[in-house]
Amino acid sequence: TQLLEQSPQFLSIQEGENLTVYCNSSSVFSSLQWYRQEPGEGPVLLVTVVTGGEVKKLKRLTFQFGDARKDSSLHITAAQPGDTGLYLCAGGRYGGSQGNLIFGKGTKLSVKP
Amino acid sequence: GAGVSQSPSNKVTEKGKDVELRCDPISGHTALYWYRQSLGQGLEFLIYFQGNSAPDKSGLPSDRFSAERTGGSVSTLTIQRTQQEDSAVYLCASSLVPLDRRPSSYEQYFGPGTRLTVT
Repeated sequence: TQLLEQSPQFLSIQEGENLTVYCNSSSVFSSLQWYRQEPGEGPVLLVTVVTGGEVKKLKRLTFQFGDARKDSSLHITAAQPGDTGLYLCAGGRYGGSQGNLIFGKGTKLSVKP
Repeated sequence: GAGVSQSPSNKVTEKGKDVELRCDPISGHTALYWYRQSLGQGLEFLIYFQGNSAPDKSGLPSDRFSAERTGGSVSTLTIQRTQQEDSAVYLCASSLVPLDRRPSSYEQYFGPGTRLTVT
């Protein structure tokens, strides 16, 4: 059973387009994190959201945590080739067997110039 | 300060040989995690440590895999009698006290990974 479903799995767009990726679950999480991983590197934390309905912005990236704290979205405005990478969401669950964080399988984004 | 470091960065080994992968977490981080990632795929959880103990080892793929952590710092992941299906990138991450409910305690910081190729 996949606790966190990410969609789409793959996304290929042109520079300048907008996009949204989704992270959904039937479980409630105490926090939700987004990571970006570039080829040959480890994932890097982008943001943590903790309150239902919370919206955080990081330059052209907008992150939202669902009101019920079961889902999240990442919206990128005017995508650039530097946004290319694997975007992973991760849900925080206190006392979980995997050490409090459950990862989704990721959305692989390719932004073409 | 220094981030999470892993060594070696690349390892090529012959099928049947044993390998040891090393992880140095961020100083002061008491939780340490091991993940496996196949090419272009998501993260497969292997094991995590709270201090020197691993509460749950069920994520390890087989009994050929083992991990230990000593002194609450460095961890090694050992794969015995390697198989071709073990080829992957092995990622290590660390975080603050895992029993703390503050959101910052859930944030994991990753190393660059070890790319293992079994020929």
